[in-house]
Amino acid sequence: NAGVTQTPKFRILKIGQSMTLQCTQDMNHNYMYWYRQDPGMGLKLIYYSVGAGITDKGEVPNGYNVSRSTTEDFPLRLELAAPSQTSVYFCASSIAGESTDTQYFGPGTRLTVL
Amino acid sequence: QKEVEQNSGPLSVPEGAIASLNCTYSDRGSQSFFWYRQYSGKSPELIMFIYSNGDKEDGRFTAQLNKASQYVSLLIRDSQPSDSATYLCAVTADDKIIFGKGTRLHILP
Repeated sequence: NAGVTQTPKFRILKIGQSMTLQCTQDMNHNYMYWYRQDPGMGLKLIYYSVGAGITDKGEVPNGYNVSRSTTEDFPLRLELAAPSQTSVYFCASSIAGESTDTQYFGPGTRLTVL
Repeated sequence: QKEVEQNSGPLSVPEGAIASLNCTYSDRGSQSFFWYRQYSGKSPELIMFIYSNGDKEDGRFTAQLNKASQYVSLLIRDSQPSDSATYLCAVTADDKIIFGKGTRLHILP
């Protein structure tokens, strides 16, 4: 199993541009998550999904959109990129939403908005 | 606002000694508590989780939970240079997991 994969690894955007961060998991997990991590900070939940067709906002959803058309894929869309969105983005998945479930993280996408 | 607090460090510990990492949380309803290790430039990986008061041991790692004091800790025995990393405390709240900012641990050879 590849686990959780993310593309691209790095990206530089200009202010106002848009892009989609890709996330795929091959573990047949129902739950998927998007986090951002600013330097020296913890992880902030952007959006999460409990299954195909179902998404919900996390702590910091503004400026982002998600979709979940399949169990495997959970892309994150940035519209009108702003410097405040410069961060490292992690996608994660878990079997279910049980409180003891392990979240498996992808390698991250480092995004810079100039 | 539900919060998880950690000392950002860096915490410097001699090789072979015990490293003690601490975390407090604000939501009394939190049920599960996690410790993740994150090497620089890498993604977090789960080390341990605990959901009952008391101690839970796994190899050189021991997680300790005190729900009355809203306090969770991680002890690392016989610290190794490879333990140098940032340790993130995470707590469940309202079906989500809230992460602390992490404590940087530096093991001195």
